[in-house]
Amino acid sequence: GEDVEQSLFLSVREGDSSVINCTYTDSSSTYLYWYKQEPGAGLQLLTYIFSNMDMKQDQRLTVLLNKKDKHLSLRIADTQTGDSAIYFCAGRTGTASKLTFGTGTRLQVTL
Amino acid sequence: GAVVSQHPSRVICKSGTSVKIECRSLDFQATTMFWYRQFPKKSLMLMATSNEGSKATYEQGVEKDKFLINHASLTLSTLTVTSAHPEDSSFYICSPVGGRSLDTQYFGPGTRLTVL
Repeated sequence: GEDVEQSLFLSVREGDSSVINCTYTDSSSTYLYWYKQEPGAGLQLLTYIFSNMDMKQDQRLTVLLNKKDKHLSLRIADTQTGDSAIYFCAGRTGTASKLTFGTGTRLQVTL
Repeated sequence: GAVVSQHPSRVICKSGTSVKIECRSLDFQATTMFWYRQFPKKSLMLMATSNEGSKATYEQGVEKDKFLINHASLTLSTLTVTSAHPEDSSFYICSPVGGRSLDTQYFGPGTRLTVL
């Protein structure tokens, strides 16, 4: 099965940019997602990218995909305290296939 | 966006009792339902996949007789943890698939189960 790895923790200062990284093993992953989970809550879909794209920007969020290296990143510009949460990357090989989640990165935003 | 509810949001029960968790898709029909569990500071682990009106498919290592899943309608699925033990304490999240594009995966707010 697919393995999806993330760094466990990231601390940034308010106003700085955050970059959360994710590596995956299954090169046939077609859909790649970023989810946000606040304490005690479910998952909120932030953005997604198809494997035929290199980059996707959505307001403060920029997703970069390097298919060759199987590396996905999420950049949050002008990070705010409300961005403090756990961020999961996830991938699937088709619309009907299972999502495989990464280990999650806890983002801490300091003043 | 689509609304998914889970009930209860938190439950504390004694060891040996059974707990039922309900998941409802409030404004769309869920053809497929995934159930996940999440241990503290860990990722989501898929437990089972169910399609409306058919038996659930369980992931390796998940006891189907312990975690009973019922997907009786396109808007309701239930997960029953039978004879719960402290090691079943976890955060359970349902994830219905459906909606306008028919393949969008949504997530419920989760249910925190604590077994004493």
